[in-house]
Amino acid sequence: KAGVTQTPRYLIKTRGQQVTLSCSPISGHRSVSWYQQTPGQGLQFLFEYFSETQRNKGNFPGRFSGRQFSNSRSEMNVSTLELGDSALYLCASSLRPYNEQFFGPGTRLTVL
Amino acid sequence: LAKTTQPISMDSYEGQEVNITCSHNNIATNDYITWYQQFPSQGPRFIIQGYKTKVTNEVASLFIPADRKSSTLSLPRVSLSDTAVYYCLVGEIAAAGGTSYGKLTFGQGTILTVHP
Repeated sequence: KAGVTQTPRYLIKTRGQQVTLSCSPISGHRSVSWYQQTPGQGLQFLFEYFSETQRNKGNFPGRFSGRQFSNSRSEMNVSTLELGDSALYLCASSLRPYNEQFFGPGTRLTVL
Repeated sequence: LAKTTQPISMDSYEGQEVNITCSHNNIATNDYITWYQQFPSQGPRFIIQGYKTKVTNEVASLFIPADRKSSTLSLPRVSLSDTAVYYCLVGEIAAAGGTSYGKLTFGQGTILTVHP
């Protein structure tokens, strides 16, 4: 069974730009969560989607948004990028919300 | 979600048993305890989950005392490949179904270094 896939794996953007990251969950998983990982703040929860609805949101500004499609694939978008948005963005999927989560390899975003 | 406290780092040697303790004084009645492992540049990987007493799987054991205010992850006979960051998480988890919509709150984790 294929694991969680994230694209792209690496991304370089400049301040002020926007970026869209994609996540394909494990087949049959309907819950997708997003996390940001930085050396200073560690792993921080961004949001969780289930059945195309955002069920939970972390403490991030409105520049961070996401959505989930009917096939459970999810995208997250960050607008008006700031230097501090440089991080590893991880997507995790589970059968249902807050079941065991399976993480993807992440997208490494660098903002210059 | 209950706050967790773990040692920042631990060192061990190949073949030894490693025990990592996590404190969670404010654990709630519906909270489960879950441990994840993370290697550099990879996403965390689920290790084990428990509610009380002892849970064992093919890679680890989890010991939870009666008051559930702490838990201990036990890794038997570690190898160099067990060098990683280990996270203890506490929160309401729909372990076998249910309708909890929660979020995983990761602490700083414990950096385990296994030496030859």
